[in-house]
Amino acid sequence: KQEVTQIPAALSVPEGENLVLNCSFTDSAIYNLQWFRQDPGKGLTSLLLIQSSQREQTSGRLNASLDKSSGRSTLYIAASQPGDSATYLCAVVRVDNYGQNFVFGPGTRLSVLP
Amino acid sequence: DVKVTQSSRYLVKRTGEKVFLECVQDMDHENMFWYRQDPGLGLRLIYFSYDVKMKEKGDIPEGYSVSREKKERFSLILESASTNQTSMYLCASSAYGGFSDTQYFGPGTRLTVL
Repeated sequence: KQEVTQIPAALSVPEGENLVLNCSFTDSAIYNLQWFRQDPGKGLTSLLLIQSSQREQTSGRLNASLDKSSGRSTLYIAASQPGDSATYLCAVVRVDNYGQNFVFGPGTRLSVLP
Repeated sequence: DVKVTQSSRYLVKRTGEKVFLECVQDMDHENMFWYRQDPGLGLRLIYFSYDVKMKEKGDIPEGYSVSREKKERFSLILESASTNQTSMYLCASSAYGGFSDTQYFGPGTRLTVL
């Protein structure tokens, strides 16, 4: 059974710092991995999607990497801003005998202090 | 921009009531999904649909049913609401490719069952 963990559970940094969020998954048989952000009381916003054949994706100040063999992904945020404060979730598309399914990690709650 | 809307932001129901949660997307997406989000458990998939009148069970379908009579609308039904169904419910849609495409989420419905 695919399990997804995220470290740290919470992170507080001063504005301007570069930071890394970590995501680990137990089964390397994935189709893709997505990073989302969730603002309090709201739905999820997709940030980056990495296909299983890719190593990384970039969007603005965000860079996500994927290492299937070690079961890890990182989300790098450059020059953090207070507006980046949110919970960041990773999710992997799991492949099993029943087809595809999405498994989410528990999230990392990020606070960027002005 | 893709827009996914959910009929209610907050809902309070009594045990045993039949509850309908509605989700509408305006981008002609093939796939639609229902998740619930609980503290400590993260997001879990309840049901998803690849096409009109098609439905597939997710990880936790017990106590729920779904309906997709039109492409743009995906309804989650709690046949007889129970207190353990108190949760945040999130709807999502994606253009194609099952879970292999970016999912767009609605704002969520916070359901309380008394």
